[in-house]
Amino acid sequence: AQSVTQPDIHITVSEGASLELRCNYSYGATPYLFWYVQSPGQGLQLLLKYFSGDTLVQGIKGFEAEFKRSQSSFNLRKPSVHWSDAAEYFCAVGARGSYIPTFGRGTSLIVHP
Amino acid sequence: DTEVTQTPKHLVMGMTNKKSLKCEQHMGHRAMYWYKQKAKKPPELMFVYSYEKLSINESVPSRFSPECPNSSLLNLHLHALQPEDSALYLCASSQLVTSGSGGELFFGEGSRLTVL
Repeated sequence: AQSVTQPDIHITVSEGASLELRCNYSYGATPYLFWYVQSPGQGLQLLLKYFSGDTLVQGIKGFEAEFKRSQSSFNLRKPSVHWSDAAEYFCAVGARGSYIPTFGRGTSLIVHP
Repeated sequence: DTEVTQTPKHLVMGMTNKKSLKCEQHMGHRAMYWYKQKAKKPPELMFVYSYEKLSINESVPSRFSPECPNSSLLNLHLHALQPEDSALYLCASSQLVTSGSGGELFFGEGSRLTVL
């Protein structure tokens, strides 16, 4: 079975600073990988996904993520954070042939003005 | 149309009440899901419907009863809930996985349930 680890519970950055949120997965083959964002009181919105091909994936809202097989990682990055990016971020991994993703515990992003 | 619509947005109910949560999608997705989410936690899978049939029940107590009347609608019937059932209930839908795609979930905004 697959699993996913988000080692940071909270990340605090200043507005305009760069951001990297960490995600490590465990799965025996190449998984499906996702990043979702959840603003307070809202549902989850898909930021980006990786299925195959180019390991650098571009998403919405200026986010990108890089799949690194050797490190079993799929870290989320943004070059310049906006105050509206403050939210909960969930990494998720799905097994090939399954449509049920496994979610990480989430990382709460706090943005200081 | 890439929306999943959930109603009601907020629900307060007593432990003896019967209520229902509703979810609708018009993306042609054939998998629909119910998740329960507590504050500052990831969503917990409750039920999955595939082609309108219940395919996964994550050992959810019988006071939660899902229903999928057709490929666009998903209901969650609630009866005799406990205060610890208070949470955000999220509906999601997805395509079923094919060789090159699938697996990404489209979520509704959730129904915030409070059980008194």
